[in-house]
Amino acid sequence: GDSVTQTEGPVTVSESESLIINCTYSATSIAYPNLFWYVRYPGEGLQLLLKVITAGQKGSSRGFEATYNKETTSFHLQKASVQESDSAVYYCALGSTGNTGKLIFGLGTTLQVQP
Amino acid sequence: DPKIIQKPKYLVAVTGSEKILICEQYLGHNAMYWYRQSAKKPLEFMFSYSYQKLMDNQTASSRFQPQSSKKNHLDLQITALKPDDSATYFCASSQDWEQYFGPGTRLTVL
Repeated sequence: GDSVTQTEGPVTVSESESLIINCTYSATSIAYPNLFWYVRYPGEGLQLLLKVITAGQKGSSRGFEATYNKETTSFHLQKASVQESDSAVYYCALGSTGNTGKLIFGLGTTLQVQP
Repeated sequence: DPKIIQKPKYLVAVTGSEKILICEQYLGHNAMYWYRQSAKKPLEFMFSYSYQKLMDNQTASSRFQPQSSKKNHLDLQITALKPDDSATYFCASSQDWEQYFGPGTRLTVL
């Protein structure tokens, strides 16, 4: 079936350190999957961080990057230098093309950035 | 102003009872969704609607019934509640591929 597996949290890093949160997916019923990273900051709702809909492309937002790798079925989230304000829960998600397609989420990774 | 409203924020129910979770979106979107997140599980897709018509149903139980009285409303009726139904229920909407999520309703079934 379709599924997403991501780094199990919590992940704790110090401010200005680099970050990688791993995400791999299985898309057996979706011919051309779209890949997403969503984020939930403390006290806020789930919001889109970045998306990539074409294999081989990279998405970026707020200093975060993720590359859609079809060969390794991965979509790892990276940031060169984290800030305390990046502390949040990050969700990798897989979706199908079209505006009524369901999203399949990973379990979420809690990131704690220490000052 | 919140663009997707979910009511109530918290809900406690007894086993066997029936509840309705409310969702209203003010983004002008044509598609709406329900997801559920139980403890230590990922967000799980339940339903999708487009122009008030059911597009996809991934919920095995008929105890969960979405209700769309207006284009920007998609309520969720849950009957014969069970403790396993305890979860946070999220409503979402979209106009294209990007789904916007509401703050959720946390349901506890005793």
